[in-house]
Amino acid sequence: DAGVTQSPTHLIKTRGQQVTLRCSPKSGHDTVSWYQQALGQGPQFIFQYYEEEERQRGNFPDRFSGHQFPNYSSELNVNALLLGDSALYLCASSLSSASNQPQHFGDGTRLSIL
Amino acid sequence: SQQGEEDPQALSIQEGENATMNCSYKTSINNLQWYRQNSGRGLVHLILIRSNEREKHSGRLRVTLDTSKKSSSLLITASRAADTASYFCATDENNTDKLIFGTGTRLQVFP
Repeated sequence: DAGVTQSPTHLIKTRGQQVTLRCSPKSGHDTVSWYQQALGQGPQFIFQYYEEEERQRGNFPDRFSGHQFPNYSSELNVNALLLGDSALYLCASSLSSASNQPQHFGDGTRLSIL
Repeated sequence: SQQGEEDPQALSIQEGENATMNCSYKTSINNLQWYRQNSGRGLVHLILIRSNEREKHSGRLRVTLDTSKKSSSLLITASRAADTASYFCATDENNTDKLIFGTGTRLQVFP
C-alpha cells in the first residue's frame, strides 16, 4: 500500500521562474493539503484540496496556486519565485477534509531558489 | 503564522529517561494532534486528542490536553535513541479544517 509520494525530491530554480510540484495521495485518501516548511520551523499551511476544489487557504499570496485531479493527485504551482520561497514543500493526504483526520505526509520536495 | 509554540525548543536526554514537551495554542480548537519528524523526512502522525478529552495513551506516549489553559503535553516514557526527532503539535485554527503547526521541539536521545 503506497503512501504519499512527492516529486521531484529536490529542485533548484532561479528568482522569477515558475515551479510545479506533484503529489500522489495515499491509496483511499481524497483530500490533499500542502505545507511550506522553512528550515528550523514548523510546517505552514498553504491550502487544501477536496473534490478538486480549494477548500481552505492559509496566508500565502496568489503566486501559490494548486490543482487536484480526478484521481485525487495534486499539483502545487508557484510563480515569480522569490529567494524566500526556498523551503521544504510537504504534501499530506487524509480520508476527508475534516480536521479530526490524521494527515499522512510525503517526504517533501526541497526547493532551493538561487 | 504559527498557532502553537512548543516548549522547550530543544531537549537532550539519556536513553531510558522520560521526555516531556509542551504545546501552547491561541484559539479554540476541536482537536489537537502530535507529529514526529525525522531529519529531512515527512511528518508522522502520533496521536490525536479531541477537545473533550483530557488524556490519551498510545504505547509509550501519553498526551494531556487542558483547554482552559490552551495547552497540551506529550510524554514519551523510557525513551530510545530512535525517538530522536522533532516533535510538533498541530491544531485546527478557530475550529476550521486548517491544520496549524507549532514551532516544534527537537529531541535528542543519547544511547
